[in-house]
Amino acid sequence: AQSVTQLDSQVPVFEEAPVELRCNYSSSVSVYLFWYVQYPNQGLQLLLKYLSGSTLVKGINGFEAEFNKSQTSFHLRKPSVHISDTAEYFCAVKDNAGNMLTFGGGTRLMVKP
Amino acid sequence: EPEVTQTPSHQVTQMGQEVILRCVPISNHLYFYWYRQILGQKVEFLVSFYNNEISEKSEIFDDQFSVERPDGSNFTLKIRSTKLEDSAMYFCASSPGQGPYEQYFGPGTRLTVT
Repeated sequence: AQSVTQLDSQVPVFEEAPVELRCNYSSSVSVYLFWYVQYPNQGLQLLLKYLSGSTLVKGINGFEAEFNKSQTSFHLRKPSVHISDTAEYFCAVKDNAGNMLTFGGGTRLMVKP
Repeated sequence: EPEVTQTPSHQVTQMGQEVILRCVPISNHLYFYWYRQILGQKVEFLVSFYNNEISEKSEIFDDQFSVERPDGSNFTLKIRSTKLEDSAMYFCASSPGQGPYEQYFGPGTRLTVT
């Protein structure tokens, strides 16, 4: 069974500042990793995914994440945030045999002017 | 761009009533899913569906729940006798395959049981 921990429930940050949202996972098998974003009153939208290969993956809206196998982490970063990035961000993991996505508890990113 | 749609956006029902939540997955996708998110909690997997049968389900998905693909486009989640604790946002998702494929989520149905 897998589990996902998002260490920060809320991250306040000023506009144009960099941000890192942390995600750690545990699994006994190889996994695929995902970051989803949920804007207010909307569904979950995929930001980026790690399947294999390069450990640095780039996603939409200027976000990127780095897979670190030894630290079992998949932290999300953006060098300069905008007000429009205010949303809930979910890290999720899926093992390479099944279809079930296991989600972390989410991190609310609050970008202030 | 194709998207997953869900109806209704909000459903209010009384405890003990049956509800059916509806979803239209992306047309060429083969795998369908239901997840739920109780207010303030994690998004939780309920069930996956492939080739007209359940391929995987969680402990949450007990006899109270059922899924169906009644025609070529709809995918439904039925909750037979709702309880207060079933109040949650229910998300439908679909994917073109299993394994290294993204799951595309719908906007959700907020179910309120009173």
